[in-house]
Amino acid sequence: IAGITQAPTSQILAAGRRMTLRCTQDMRHNAMYWYRQDLGLGLRLIHYSNTAGTTGKGEVPDGYSVSRANTDDFPLTLASAVPSQTSVYFCASSERGEHDEQFFGPGTRLTVL
Amino acid sequence: GQNIDQPTEMTATEGAIVQINCTYQTSGFNGLFWYQQHAGEAPTFLSYNVLDGLEEKGRFSSFLSRSKGYSYLLLKELQMKDSASYLCAVTGGNYQLIWGAGTKLIIKP
Repeated sequence: IAGITQAPTSQILAAGRRMTLRCTQDMRHNAMYWYRQDLGLGLRLIHYSNTAGTTGKGEVPDGYSVSRANTDDFPLTLASAVPSQTSVYFCASSERGEHDEQFFGPGTRLTVL
Repeated sequence: GQNIDQPTEMTATEGAIVQINCTYQTSGFNGLFWYQQHAGEAPTFLSYNVLDGLEEKGRFSSFLSRSKGYSYLLLKELQMKDSASYLCAVTGGNYQLIWGAGTKLIIKP
């Protein structure tokens, strides 16, 4: 692994289903983030983690949950998907926090029908 | 409140110079980022300004005025590969960045 990876690349999901988006980084960064990007709205922070074992809510956390069991992994779970969660999801990491450059994964394109 | 404004779209000619502006209002400002995002790809870091003034990095320069809540990204000697969206983001406190909606730059030959 080089940098930050996400899986799956894309997914079509029926409304009401549970879905976990995976994110893994190998840079030993302390901080990790989940964003959604919708046309005309820019990046919006869903959840973040400053270090392993801690998480926090961003601007749009409703309907999403995260965990940070170790430094490398930061999965995002949609407990019961709804069509408004159709979006492109980016995972990112930075060495310490918001003052550092963020490195982004390639994104997951999610469609909820 | 916290807000970032940047133009939705700009058009420029190959070889020319273009300036993309960003104005912001935020309570926890410490610095301002510029990222580049090609269509269908992830954002990539361009610059980070903490102090007032101009920082130059090759063909790209970024300017910050903290007192005016204003920044711009200057792209010189435009190339077709510079066609992308340019995202402005500021530190908003609470471990978060506040992101603008991005400026789509179209380069014409």
